[in-house]
Amino acid sequence: KAGVTQTPRYLIKTRGQQVTLSCSPISGHRSVSWYQQTPGQGLQFLFEYFSETQRNKGNFPGRFSGRQFSNSRSEMNVSTLELGDSALYLCASSLGLAGVENEQFFGPGTRLTVL
Amino acid sequence: GESVGLHLPTLSVQEGDNSIINCAYSNSASDYFIWYKQESGKGPQFIIDIRSNMDKRQGQRVTVLLNKTVKHLSLQIAATQPGDSAVYFCAEITNNAGNMLTFGGGTRLMVKP
Repeated sequence: KAGVTQTPRYLIKTRGQQVTLSCSPISGHRSVSWYQQTPGQGLQFLFEYFSETQRNKGNFPGRFSGRQFSNSRSEMNVSTLELGDSALYLCASSLGLAGVENEQFFGPGTRLTVL
Repeated sequence: GESVGLHLPTLSVQEGDNSIINCAYSNSASDYFIWYKQESGKGPQFIIDIRSNMDKRQGQRVTVLLNKTVKHLSLQIAATQPGDSAVYFCAEITNNAGNMLTFGGGTRLMVKP
């Protein structure tokens, strides 16, 4: 069974631009969560989508948004990019809502560099 | 996609020795804890988990210990191998906080051959 895939793997943008990252979950998984990983802040939860609805949200500004499609694929968007948005963005999928009974499987991440 | 690299504590062990990686968690109401391993260029990979009503759980070459009194979690790796070299994260889930996964800062394990 194919794992979680993320595209693109690497991306370079300039300040003020916007970016869209894509995540395809493991087949059959209905939940997709997004995380930001930086050297200073570590791994931080962005949001979780399940059945095309945002179910949970971390403490990030409104510039960070996402959506989920009927096939469970998800995209996240960051508008008006700032230098501090440079990070590895990780997507994780699970059968149901992430939690004790639903292990999350992570993709390899998208490395975003903002210049 | 590399893992977090610049600000991590590092544990260096000799191949064949046992490794102990520690983690302090923040929420005494957390219900569930997970250890993840992140190798360079990959996303975190599940290693072992433990519920808050347990204090020890064993897997293959790995053992997780939970001390709720001091909010401390540890991962023990027996007979450490070069393939164990990675960054290790603990994560906690609190059911009354929307099942959000909260990660610790991570420890880099380096195994010397």
